[in-house]
Amino acid sequence: EPEVTQTPSHQVTQMGQEVILRCVPISNHLYFYWYRQILGQKVEFLVSFYNNEISEKSEIFDDQFSVERPDGSNFTLKIRSTKLEDSAMYFCARGPVERGGSETQYFGPGTRLLVL
Amino acid sequence: AQTVTQSQPEMSVQEAETVTLSCTYDTSESNYYLFWYKQPPSRQMILVIRQEAYKQQNATENRFSVNFQKAAKSFSLKISDSQLGDTAMYFCAFMKHSGTSGTYKYIFGTGTRLKVLA
Repeated sequence: EPEVTQTPSHQVTQMGQEVILRCVPISNHLYFYWYRQILGQKVEFLVSFYNNEISEKSEIFDDQFSVERPDGSNFTLKIRSTKLEDSAMYFCARGPVERGGSETQYFGPGTRLLVL
Repeated sequence: AQTVTQSQPEMSVQEAETVTLSCTYDTSESNYYLFWYKQPPSRQMILVIRQEAYKQQNATENRFSVNFQKAAKSFSLKISDSQLGDTAMYFCAFMKHSGTSGTYKYIFGTGTRLKVLA
């Protein structure tokens, strides 16, 4: 099945700056997810999103994070004021194209974020 | 809360040999799914195999197969005829229905770094 693309592939930013990571689905999917992976560690769930609303968020997903799908296509993750510990690989994943479809999630290639 | 444990941080295997990666998990759920993902140096997450908890038959995908022991909460991955391209980090993942809108989420283990030797 088609997966998703993510932009940018790499981002370097200064601490305190805002960053926006984008996830571009190839077709019209309903479910989206963000995960992150700090270097050398496991992949961690951040947030799930369905029908333009957050379905669930983890304790990592604090007030500095937000998600939206502004144009009905791209799905974005915004970090308002980046911290050093936000440096990680951020993965977008998409779910099925219809409610009740396969629960398997397909990951994008990731955005490598480095906060200096 | 669900946890996933991969007790082998690193493993190596000779090319063409068979290797088994271990995974155990803890849950009180009855309906869930289990996955193995491969992460090569590019860090792309590539689905290797999935197993539905309600199915007793072990899943297979070409050279990859699992040994799913539901009562023991064990989900190991066997790679037969190992190839150099199998060198990667392998993550075991537990998935369950979560959230308010029919969404699911993965809970990953810490990974096993597999190196296939020529």
